[in-house]
Amino acid sequence: GQQLNQSPQSMFIQEGEDVSMNCTSSSIFNTWLWYKQDPGEGPVLLIALYKAGELTSNGRLTAQFGITRKDSFLNISASIPSDVGIYFCAGLRNTGGFKTIFGAGTRLFVKA
Amino acid sequence: DARVTQTPRHKVTEMGQEVTMRCQPILGHNTVFWYRQTMMQGLELLAYFRNRAPLDDSGMPKDRFSAEMPDATLATLKIQPSEPRDSAVYFCASGPRQQETQYFGPGTRLLVL
Repeated sequence: GQQLNQSPQSMFIQEGEDVSMNCTSSSIFNTWLWYKQDPGEGPVLLIALYKAGELTSNGRLTAQFGITRKDSFLNISASIPSDVGIYFCAGLRNTGGFKTIFGAGTRLFVKA
Repeated sequence: DARVTQTPRHKVTEMGQEVTMRCQPILGHNTVFWYRQTMMQGLELLAYFRNRAPLDDSGMPKDRFSAEMPDATLATLKIQPSEPRDSAVYFCASGPRQQETQYFGPGTRLLVL
């Protein structure tokens, strides 16, 4: 079963608003990844985080690797309609292999 | 623009039939992952290869599923015999060893009737 708690499950926001979502776990991860999935497509990598405390930006997106290594958050600033989609976090443990666990996703709806 | 490719994009079959899904990882990537996505379970890791060797297939039902990498440019996932509960979207992803990042293909949408 899933060991990542991703929240919120869905968000309905107005264009221009900022968005924040996060993933938490009782387990430690070596890497956090954030993906976006559009309908009918595969997840697209947005940001990769490799070190505890790391803060990384990609355009209007900013993600942080929690200092405890058990959580991560993703912020989207000044949302636009094309931000609509499902955002997934993924935690990886390097225990001889890359055990990857995905969160359940946050469905983002942006109203123009 | 290097991408993971998957074939077929869609597959409809009858229960009991064999299904073979193919994936071409990004050139130079030496890790390959197979995932299954359903509404109920989300994204589940089925199998993971590094340098063509299977490292983790604990998420895969062993009695009917098999995953192989005949060469560095081809990964296959087979289901035999298929069952209606196998209906899902199957994603292949590849990644470079020096980073734990994974790049996904477009998926194979499987419907088993």
